[in-house]
Amino acid sequence: DIQMTQSPSSLSASVGDRVTITCRASQSISTYLNWYQQKPGKAPKLLIYAASSLQSGVPSRFSGSGSGTDFTLTISSLQPEDFATYYCQQSFSTPWTFGQGTKVEIK
Amino acid sequence: QVQLQESGPGLVKPSETLSLTCTVSGGSITGYYWSWIRQPPGKGLECIGYIYYSGSTNYNPSLRSRVTISVDTSKNQFSLKLTSVTAADTAVYYCARPRLGLAAGKDIYYFDYWGQGTLVTVSS
Repeated sequence: DIQMTQSPSSLSASVGDRVTITCRASQSISTYLNWYQQKPGKAPKLLIYAASSLQSGVPSRFSGSGSGTDFTLTISSLQPEDFATYYCQQSFSTPWTFGQGTKVEIK
Repeated sequence: QVQLQESGPGLVKPSETLSLTCTVSGGSITGYYWSWIRQPPGKGLECIGYIYYSGSTNYNPSLRSRVTISVDTSKNQFSLKLTSVTAADTAVYYCARPRLGLAAGKDIYYFDYWGQGTLVTVSS
């Protein structure tokens, strides 16, 4: 299985901050990398697919980059509704696997 | 707008079989893959497996010996059975659709629709 490792596991930030979350794959996955946002008690929501493609309806403050083994999710200006847990997920090979999550909390 | 809804018992005894159904509305189950994903309380997400509408399946090797996913196109439903459950199988179980998309010339799967999730507790 491909292991996905996110860093940090949690972070505290203020509204308006620029936030960056990193995801590393245990082997090269090209750009077969997706990002999800999950709020407490809710299902994950797709933000970014194929490393950098913004899902329809997702605000443009979210962006993704990277290829191979190293990927980044950036929130350019954190909004109150962005406080949540973020997961990366690889679909390069089965079993598809997720990172352990990064919890973004209010500072 | 496609909607997915999980249904099934919220409490299962150890060693018994967990059975869940996902009902798809607002669109046809035909032509797509459908998946089960679980999340133990306070933990991360794990893909259990997926099924194509035609019936072909792919299971996570860690669960393969205990998992069966099936589809009923006439009811627009797909189902999960997990045998010989233990407390480690306690989780929120989600059904989701792995959509095949195209980006930068590559085909990629991503989960675009999810059910709300259902908590299944394994306890006597």
